[in-house]
Amino acid sequence: SAVISQKPSRDICQRGTSLTIQCQVDSQVTMMFWYRQQPGQSLTLIATANQGSEATYESGFVIDKFPISRPNLTFSTLTVSNMSPEDSSIYLCSVDDETGRTYNEQFFGPGTRLTVL
Amino acid sequence: GENVEQHPSTLSVQEGDSAVIKCTYSDSASNYFPWYKQELGKGPQLIIDIRSNVGEKKDQRIAVTLNKTAKHFSLHITETQPEDSAVYFCAPPPTNSGYSTLTFGKGTMLLVSP
Repeated sequence: SAVISQKPSRDICQRGTSLTIQCQVDSQVTMMFWYRQQPGQSLTLIATANQGSEATYESGFVIDKFPISRPNLTFSTLTVSNMSPEDSSIYLCSVDDETGRTYNEQFFGPGTRLTVL
Repeated sequence: GENVEQHPSTLSVQEGDSAVIKCTYSDSASNYFPWYKQELGKGPQLIIDIRSNVGEKKDQRIAVTLNKTAKHFSLHITETQPEDSAVYFCAPPPTNSGYSTLTFGKGTMLLVSP
C-alpha cells in the first residue's frame, strides 16, 4: 500500500491566478495520476505523470492549463493555471501499487478542494 | 475508451438491509472490475475487485458478481451499517490505455439509516 499526502488541502483563489498542488508519496512509484472531481460528480483523469518524461494528458486537458512536474519517484505537482470559476473542483493524485500485474489497485490522496472566485 | 454506466445514482436503505449497485461497461475485452468507496472529504479507496476469470468474489459483507456476457458487474453489501454510507464508484479500466488508468462511473450515494 501507499500513503499519499496533498498540499494544500483546500484553497480559495481569485480568477486569473494559478495554484500549484503538491502530492507526496511515502514510497517510490513509477506512475502517478492526477484526477479532477467537480462538485458532486465523478472523477475524471487529467494526466499520467511518469518520472523522467513528460506527462500524458487525457482528451480535453492540455499542458498549458495543467502543467505537471515529476522531479522524482515520490513527488509530483499539478498547477492549475489562469483559473476561472469553472476550475472549482477537488483535485486528487493517485498512485498504482505496482505489483506487476496488468491492472492494480490505485491509492488516492485526500484531495485538494479548490474554489475560484 | 470505456463507457461506464452506474445505477442507481442514490440508494437509501435501513441498517441491516442489503444494497446492490450495478455497473455496465462497453469494452468486451475488459478484464478487471474494481469498486471504490469514497467517504466525505477523502479520496476513493478500493474495497473489492474481480478479474474476468471468476464470476464472483466475496469479502465478509461485500461481494462483487460479474456477468461478462451481459457486460455488467454488481456490488453487493449485506447487513448494511451506517458506516457504509458513502459514494461508491465502479472503475473498469479501458483496455487500450496501456497502463492502469481507471474510468469511473458517475457514482452511487448510499445512505444507511440507523
